[in-house]
Amino acid sequence: EIVMTQSPATLSVSPGERATLSCRASQSVSTKLAWYQQKPGQAPRLLIYGASTRATGIPARFSGSGSGTEFTLTISSPQSEDSTVYYCQQYSTWPWTFGQGTKVEIK
Amino acid sequence: EAQLVESGGGLVQPGGSLRLSCAASGFTFSRYWMSWVRQAPGKGLEWVANIKEDGSEKYYVESVKGRFTISRDNAQNSLYLQMNSLRVEDTAVYYCVSLPYYDILTDWGQGTLVTVSS
Repeated sequence: EIVMTQSPATLSVSPGERATLSCRASQSVSTKLAWYQQKPGQAPRLLIYGASTRATGIPARFSGSGSGTEFTLTISSPQSEDSTVYYCQQYSTWPWTFGQGTKVEIK
Repeated sequence: EAQLVESGGGLVQPGGSLRLSCAASGFTFSRYWMSWVRQAPGKGLEWVANIKEDGSEKYYVESVKGRFTISRDNAQNSLYLQMNSLRVEDTAVYYCVSLPYYDILTDWGQGTLVTVSS
Protein backbone atom coordinates (compact mmCIF):
# COMPACT_ATOMS: atom_id res chain seq x y z
CA GLU A 1 0.00 0.00 0.00
CA ILE A 2 1.24 3.47 -0.89
CA VAL A 3 1.29 5.79 2.11
CA MET A 4 0.50 9.44 1.45
CA THR A 5 1.88 11.96 3.93
CA GLN A 6 0.70 15.57 3.98
CA SER A 7 2.44 18.49 5.62
CA PRO A 8 1.93 20.60 7.53
CA ALA A 9 -1.04 19.35 9.51
CA THR A 10 -2.23 22.94 9.91
CA LEU A 11 -1.23 25.95 7.82
CA SER A 12 -2.06 29.48 8.91
CA VAL A 13 -1.71 32.25 6.34
CA SER A 14 -2.83 35.84 5.94
CA PRO A 15 -5.31 36.83 3.21
CA GLY A 16 -3.40 37.24 -0.03
CA GLU A 17 -0.37 35.34 1.29
CA ARG A 18 0.54 32.30 -0.79
CA ALA A 19 -0.35 28.95 0.80
CA THR A 20 1.78 25.92 -0.06
CA LEU A 21 0.62 22.42 0.91
CA SER A 22 2.83 19.36 0.48
CA CYS A 23 2.05 15.73 -0.20
CA ARG A 24 4.60 12.93 -0.30
CA ALA A 25 4.08 9.38 -1.57
CA SER A 26 5.95 6.41 -0.13
CA GLN A 27 6.69 5.28 -3.70
CA SER A 28 6.30 6.82 -7.12
CA VAL A 29 2.76 7.49 -8.32
CA SER A 30 3.90 9.27 -11.51
CA THR A 31 1.33 12.06 -11.90
CA LYS A 32 -1.64 9.97 -10.70
CA LEU A 33 -2.32 12.43 -7.91
CA ALA A 34 -5.47 14.38 -7.05
CA TRP A 35 -6.29 17.11 -4.53
CA TYR A 36 -9.67 17.60 -2.83
CA GLN A 37 -11.16 20.35 -0.71
CA GLN A 38 -13.63 19.46 2.03
CA LYS A 39 -15.66 21.97 3.99
CA PRO A 40 -17.36 21.00 7.27
CA GLY A 41 -20.47 18.93 6.75
CA GLN A 42 -19.93 18.71 3.01
CA ALA A 43 -18.65 16.12 0.58
CA PRO A 44 -15.13 16.51 -0.79
CA ARG A 45 -14.73 18.52 -4.00
CA LEU A 46 -12.19 17.64 -6.66
CA LEU A 47 -9.71 20.48 -7.19
CA ILE A 48 -6.78 19.03 -9.13
CA TYR A 49 -6.12 15.75 -10.98
CA GLY A 50 -3.15 14.48 -12.93
CA ALA A 51 -1.07 16.39 -10.37
CA SER A 52 -1.59 19.72 -12.15
CA THR A 53 -4.89 19.86 -14.07
CA ARG A 54 -7.61 21.98 -12.49
CA ALA A 55 -11.04 20.39 -12.36
CA THR A 56 -14.02 22.10 -13.96
CA GLY A 57 -14.99 25.34 -12.25
CA ILE A 58 -11.97 25.52 -9.94
CA PRO A 59 -10.55 29.04 -9.60
CA ALA A 60 -7.16 29.77 -11.14
CA ARG A 61 -5.69 30.60 -7.71
CA PHE A 62 -5.47 26.85 -7.10
CA SER A 63 -2.56 25.11 -8.80
CA GLY A 64 -0.84 21.77 -8.46
CA SER A 65 2.65 20.56 -9.31
CA GLY A 66 4.97 17.63 -8.86
CA SER A 67 5.53 14.09 -10.03
CA GLY A 68 6.87 10.84 -8.66
CA THR A 69 6.76 11.18 -4.89
CA GLU A 70 6.64 14.92 -4.19
CA PHE A 71 3.60 17.11 -4.87
CA THR A 72 2.43 20.60 -4.02
CA LEU A 73 -0.91 22.37 -3.93
CA THR A 74 -0.57 26.14 -4.06
CA ILE A 75 -3.27 28.67 -3.29
CA SER A 76 -1.83 31.83 -4.78
CA SER A 77 -3.98 34.39 -2.97
CA PRO A 78 -6.21 32.61 -0.47
CA GLN A 79 -9.68 33.89 0.19
CA SER A 80 -11.61 33.47 3.42
CA GLU A 81 -13.71 30.72 1.84
CA ASP A 82 -10.53 28.66 1.30
CA SER A 83 -10.25 28.05 5.06
CA THR A 84 -10.87 24.31 5.26
CA VAL A 85 -9.24 20.89 4.91
CA TYR A 86 -7.40 19.64 1.84
CA TYR A 87 -6.57 16.02 0.97
CA CYS A 88 -4.24 14.49 -1.57
CA GLN A 89 -4.95 11.06 -3.08
CA GLN A 90 -3.01 8.66 -5.29
CA TYR A 91 -4.75 6.57 -7.93
CA SER A 92 -1.65 4.92 -9.38
CA THR A 93 -1.93 1.63 -7.48
CA TRP A 94 -4.70 -0.33 -5.71
CA PRO A 95 -5.68 0.37 -3.03
CA TRP A 96 -6.15 4.04 -3.73
CA THR A 97 -4.99 6.00 -0.69
CA PHE A 98 -5.45 9.46 0.77
CA GLY A 99 -3.24 11.68 2.85
CA GLN A 100 -4.40 12.58 6.34
CA GLY A 101 -5.28 16.13 5.35
CA THR A 102 -3.99 19.67 5.84
CA LYS A 103 -6.16 22.25 7.54
CA VAL A 104 -5.72 25.74 6.09
CA GLU A 105 -6.58 28.71 8.27
CA ILE A 106 -6.86 32.20 6.82
CA LYS A 107 -5.90 34.58 9.64
CA GLU B 1 -24.78 18.07 -13.99
CA ALA B 2 -24.17 14.81 -12.18
CA GLN B 3 -26.32 14.13 -9.14
CA LEU B 4 -25.69 11.30 -6.71
CA VAL B 5 -28.03 10.56 -3.82
CA GLU B 6 -27.11 7.93 -1.26
CA SER B 7 -29.55 6.14 1.01
CA GLY B 8 -29.72 3.14 3.28
CA GLY B 9 -27.51 4.24 6.13
CA GLY B 10 -28.48 3.83 9.76
CA LEU B 11 -27.70 2.17 13.06
CA VAL B 12 -26.78 -1.52 13.00
CA GLN B 13 -25.31 -3.89 15.57
CA PRO B 14 -21.86 -5.42 15.15
CA GLY B 15 -22.12 -8.47 12.92
CA GLY B 16 -25.17 -7.09 11.17
CA SER B 17 -25.77 -6.18 7.55
CA LEU B 18 -26.79 -3.10 5.63
CA ARG B 19 -27.27 -2.29 1.95
CA LEU B 20 -26.44 1.19 0.71
CA SER B 21 -27.90 2.57 -2.50
CA CYS B 22 -26.90 5.46 -4.72
CA ALA B 23 -29.30 6.94 -7.27
CA ALA B 24 -27.48 8.60 -10.16
CA SER B 25 -28.81 11.20 -12.59
CA GLY B 26 -27.57 13.90 -14.95
CA PHE B 27 -25.03 11.70 -16.75
CA THR B 28 -24.82 8.42 -18.65
CA PHE B 29 -24.40 6.13 -15.67
CA SER B 30 -23.62 3.01 -17.71
CA ARG B 31 -20.48 4.64 -19.16
CA TYR B 32 -18.82 5.50 -15.84
CA TRP B 33 -16.79 3.58 -13.33
CA MET B 34 -18.21 4.18 -9.83
CA SER B 35 -16.76 4.17 -6.33
CA TRP B 36 -17.61 4.14 -2.65
CA VAL B 37 -15.42 6.22 -0.33
CA ARG B 38 -15.94 6.49 3.43
CA GLN B 39 -15.03 8.86 6.23
CA ALA B 40 -15.10 7.90 9.89
CA PRO B 41 -16.34 10.66 12.24
CA GLY B 42 -13.67 13.34 12.56
CA LYS B 43 -11.24 11.35 10.42
CA GLY B 44 -9.85 11.38 6.90
CA LEU B 45 -11.04 9.77 3.69
CA GLU B 46 -10.73 6.08 2.83
CA TRP B 47 -11.41 4.56 -0.58
CA VAL B 48 -13.59 1.44 -0.21
CA ALA B 49 -14.44 -0.05 -3.60
CA ASN B 50 -14.64 0.50 -7.37
CA ILE B 51 -16.77 -1.10 -10.08
CA LYS B 52 -16.30 -0.97 -13.83
CA GLU B 53 -18.99 0.36 -16.20
CA ASP B 54 -20.41 -3.09 -16.93
CA GLY B 55 -19.75 -4.55 -13.48
CA SER B 56 -17.13 -6.98 -14.80
CA GLU B 57 -14.31 -5.65 -12.62
CA LYS B 58 -14.45 -4.83 -8.93
CA TYR B 59 -11.75 -3.67 -6.52
CA TYR B 60 -11.83 -3.41 -2.73
CA VAL B 61 -9.72 -2.10 0.11
CA GLU B 62 -8.28 -5.03 2.06
CA SER B 63 -10.24 -4.31 5.24
CA VAL B 64 -13.63 -4.96 3.56
CA LYS B 65 -12.74 -7.84 1.23
CA GLY B 66 -15.07 -10.79 1.79
CA ARG B 67 -17.53 -8.65 3.77
CA PHE B 68 -18.61 -5.88 1.35
CA THR B 69 -19.87 -6.28 -2.22
CA ILE B 70 -20.17 -3.44 -4.72
CA SER B 71 -22.71 -3.84 -7.51
CA ARG B 72 -24.70 -1.77 -9.96
CA ASP B 73 -27.91 -1.82 -12.01
CA ASN B 74 -27.36 0.22 -15.15
CA ALA B 75 -31.03 -0.04 -16.12
CA GLN B 76 -31.95 1.65 -12.84
CA ASN B 77 -28.97 4.06 -12.78
CA SER B 78 -28.12 2.74 -9.35
CA LEU B 79 -25.03 1.75 -7.40
CA TYR B 80 -25.07 -0.47 -4.33
CA LEU B 81 -22.86 -1.52 -1.45
CA GLN B 82 -23.86 -4.66 0.41
CA MET B 83 -22.16 -4.64 3.80
CA ASN B 84 -22.09 -7.82 5.88
CA SER B 85 -20.37 -8.76 9.13
CA LEU B 86 -20.21 -5.10 10.06
CA ARG B 87 -17.68 -3.93 12.64
CA VAL B 88 -17.54 -0.91 14.90
CA GLU B 89 -14.66 0.40 12.74
CA ASP B 90 -16.96 0.47 9.68
CA THR B 91 -18.79 3.41 11.26
CA ALA B 92 -18.50 6.25 8.75
CA VAL B 93 -20.20 8.46 6.23
CA TYR B 94 -20.24 6.55 2.95
CA TYR B 95 -19.96 8.57 -0.25
CA CYS B 96 -20.98 7.46 -3.73
CA VAL B 97 -18.59 8.86 -6.35
CA SER B 98 -18.63 8.89 -10.15
CA LEU B 99 -15.51 8.52 -12.28
CA PRO B 100 -16.04 9.99 -15.76
CA TYR B 101 -12.31 9.72 -16.46
CA TYR B 102 -12.02 6.09 -15.27
CA ASP B 103 -9.74 6.83 -12.34
CA ILE B 104 -10.62 10.32 -11.10
CA LEU B 105 -13.03 10.62 -8.15
CA THR B 106 -14.94 13.46 -9.76
CA ASP B 107 -18.52 13.94 -8.54
CA TRP B 108 -19.53 13.06 -4.99
CA GLY B 109 -22.86 12.50 -3.33
CA GLN B 110 -23.65 14.03 0.04
CA GLY B 111 -23.10 10.75 1.85
CA THR B 112 -25.04 8.46 4.14
CA LEU B 113 -24.06 7.72 7.73
CA VAL B 114 -23.55 4.15 8.88
CA THR B 115 -23.22 3.61 12.61
CA VAL B 116 -22.17 0.20 13.91
CA SER B 117 -22.79 -0.01 17.62
CA SER B 118 -24.37 -2.24 20.22
